Amino acid sequence: SYVLTQPPSVSVAPGKTARITCGGNNIGSKRVHWYQQKPGQAPVLVIYYDSDRPSGIPERFFGSNSGNTATLTITRVEAGDEADYYCQVWDSSSDHAVFGGGTQLTVL
Amino acid sequence: EVQLVESGGGLVQPGGSLRLSCAASGFTFSNYWMSWVRQAPGKGLEWVANIKQDRSENYYVDSVKGRFTISRDNAKNSLYLQMNSLRAEDTAVYYCARLRIAVAGTSWFDPWGQGTLVTVSS
Repeated sequence: SYVLTQPPSVSVAPGKTARITCGGNNIGSKRVHWYQQKPGQAPVLVIYYDSDRPSGIPERFFGSNSGNTATLTITRVEAGDEADYYCQVWDSSSDHAVFGGGTQLTVL
Repeated sequence: EVQLVESGGGLVQPGGSLRLSCAASGFTFSNYWMSWVRQAPGKGLEWVANIKQDRSENYYVDSVKGRFTISRDNAKNSLYLQMNSLRAEDTAVYYCARLRIAVAGTSWFDPWGQGTLVTVSS
């Protein structure tokens, strides 16, 4: 089955840019979606279809996908961005959703 | 406002059964695939099951096949998950989520309910 690999943690200072990666075999041929989950809350979609933002998601959130790596980039990071972030793809060979292991973003 | 509200979680002994419910509002429930996704304590997200709008198709993660059954009642705007032969490793928060499907063969989850905790323990 398809495997997505994320770094367990990323740290960034307020106002700087955070980059969270999601690795997978030829992931550039798939469409990647990203979720933000704050402690004790349900996940929230922040990026879908590689780089589209749902309404209400700040333009500071940006997605890209190429080769074997998809990246969620958060510019001008704020304290309120501190959360776990998960990438997700659809594995059409098994008709299953696949999630990455999640990355904990810490704002220093 | 689109809203999903889960209920039915609780403490159950290994080998027992539980039925989760998800009440949907704010959108035409019968137009969408629906899903269950779970999260074990301190762990990541794991997709569990999907069901098509007309109940003609459903899919499960291998670890729950033969034990869990996803169903829906479009007249009641409700999604269900019948969980039998429960194991300790099924302990998790179970989220109900609307499945968005793109023509390009990809799908994502939006929105999610607040989740309901299932604890399997003696």
